[in-house]
Formats: sequence, structure tokens, C-alpha cells
Amino acid sequence: RKEVEQDPGPFNVPEGATVAFNCTYSNSASQSFFWYRQDCRKEPKLLMSVYSSGNEDGRFTAQLNRASQYISLLIRDSKLSDSATYLCVVNSFGEGGYNKLIFGAGTRLAVHP
Amino acid sequence: EPEVTQTPSHQVTQMGQEVILRCVPISNHLYFYWYRQILGQKVEFLVSFYNNEISEKSEIFDDQFSVERPDGSNFTLKIRSTKLEDSAMYFCASQGQISYEQYFGPGTRLTVT
Repeated sequence: RKEVEQDPGPFNVPEGATVAFNCTYSNSASQSFFWYRQDCRKEPKLLMSVYSSGNEDGRFTAQLNRASQYISLLIRDSKLSDSATYLCVVNSFGEGGYNKLIFGAGTRLAVHP
Repeated sequence: EPEVTQTPSHQVTQMGQEVILRCVPISNHLYFYWYRQILGQKVEFLVSFYNNEISEKSEIFDDQFSVERPDGSNFTLKIRSTKLEDSAMYFCASQGQISYEQYFGPGTRLTVT
């Protein structure tokens, strides 16, 4: 089983649509969860951290279900500028106990007029 | 807003040559990372660095790779004898003390011919 799995996409949606991204992770010891956004040939940019209670930042809502090891991201009223690849990212601890990030393969979103 | 910087943005080298990729992390951060992304694939952890030593490394990070922070500012990744399969985007990231959020530099595209 992959450490972090996402829908491969792509998702093609019209402006104004609501779009949902799903992600599952395999390591129950993971403590921190993130959504990053990556534009073509650019670096991953932190979109938001994901907390157990769920959190919202404007049009973006993230949810975490630890029991199911499931993370989601909802984008409401999508804009053309939301077109990007959305990366589900989970922290993991190596043998030395230090943190590292494990990335999903990403889900590409294309918002069209 | 503080940011991670990387140089060069693009490096072309011949197989067997040594390359050094440079990063300047966010100034008050203590944890530093290198990740790589082969074209069309997901972002992969290479190595983490804390307190002037390697804290974690992946299977990819073999004896051909090394990292150092020679002057308390720059954080470098050296590949001693490059192979064709080392062609990828290399991202540097840094993390502060409070959370596991990591901030990425713009990357160096390494092309090995």
C-alpha cells in the first residue's frame, strides 16, 4: 500500500464549481497533515495544515479523520487561478525519530471559464 | 515574507561530473531538507539536517550524495559523480521549531547529459 494515496485526476471544472480532493495515508503514527499546491515546474507551496477539528481558510476547507486515515480538501467557488496540482502531504518519522514529509502523487485541477 | 532561496535555477552537467546545489533557508529555522522530483513523478525525501549533522536520509541518498552547512547560512547538496538518473528538480526546504510545516525553495533543475 502506498504511504499517501490520492485520486490521480485530472479534475476539469468550470469556474464557480465546488471541488473535493481525497487522500488516504497508511502510517497511523503520522501527526501532521498538509495540503500543498504545486504549479507546473514550480515548488510545492503550503496551502494549509490540516487539524483534527477541521479548518477553513476562505474558500478552502480541510478535514482529517484519524480513525479512517483520511484527509480531504474542499475548494468552493473555484477560480481560474486555482488550477494547479494539489498535493496531500503527511509527516513521518525516520529511524532516528526526525521528521520528514511524505508526498502523495498529487491531483491536478483545471478550472475553465 | 521570509523565503527559501536556491541557486542555480538550472544546472546542466555531464555524467560523472560533480555538482553542488545551494540553498539559503529561512533565517530562524533549524531543520533543513532536500527533496527531489523526477519529471512527472512525486516529490521524494532525500535527507534532513539538524544541528550540523544529518538526522535522516532515504535510500536514494547514497554515498554519492553529501550535505553541509559550511557557514551557518548556505545549505548545500553535493552529488559527487552524477548519473543520468539524477536528472530532476531538487528542492530545499526549511522548518522552524514550533510546527512540522516546511517551506520550499524554488528548486534547481538538474539535467545530466
